[in-house]
Amino acid sequence: EPEVTQTPSHQVTQMGQEVILRCVPISNHLYFYWYRQILGQKVEFLVSFYNNEISEKSEIFDDQFSVERPDGSNFTLKIRSTKLEDSAMYFCASSTRTASLSTNEKLFFGSGTQLSVL
Amino acid sequence: LAKTTQPISMDSYEGQEVNITCSHNNIATNDYITWYQQFPSQGPRFIIQGYKTKVTNEVASLFIPADRKSSTLSLPRVSLSDTAVYYCLVGAPGGNKLVFGAGTILRVKS
Repeated sequence: EPEVTQTPSHQVTQMGQEVILRCVPISNHLYFYWYRQILGQKVEFLVSFYNNEISEKSEIFDDQFSVERPDGSNFTLKIRSTKLEDSAMYFCASSTRTASLSTNEKLFFGSGTQLSVL
Repeated sequence: LAKTTQPISMDSYEGQEVNITCSHNNIATNDYITWYQQFPSQGPRFIIQGYKTKVTNEVASLFIPADRKSSTLSLPRVSLSDTAVYYCLVGAPGGNKLVFGAGTILRVKS
């Protein structure tokens, strides 16, 4: 079964540093997402991405965050200046959704990147 | 977005059937109901999806009454490896922002 791949699995960084989390979505999927989960809390939506543009973003996704699809396969999340509260598991997902409106999409999640900000 | 309500936790024993009910009173006409499973330190995994009546796959069944204000995920003969958090999601038209609630922690005991 095709899967979403995320690297690295763990990332430790100092407060104020920039981090880039990488994801390889499933090859024929068009919609991509980042979610995060702080330890013991809910899975929170960050951003959705389609056709090289942000489709929707949450309040969490402020100016410190950016996403990019630099080539045909990778999808990245950059945090410009990390804060202690950015420590979380970050999940990338890709979707079966097509260009037309679809309410029955299925998300496929990667295994996540555990980000620890010290 | 339709808000969902699920039990916080449930306990079961191996071999039993487990039913987890989700309430979604303000579900919209176009919304689908999707269930995901999450193991510790892993991403959520799609289990099943439906719009109305009953859907069954190799993993679970999903029962949706005619008014669609609730749904029940049924896991037949659970095993220890089914211990996980189960999320009920109701998709908004366009599906841009699937929102995860707190989910139901299912503990299966031997």
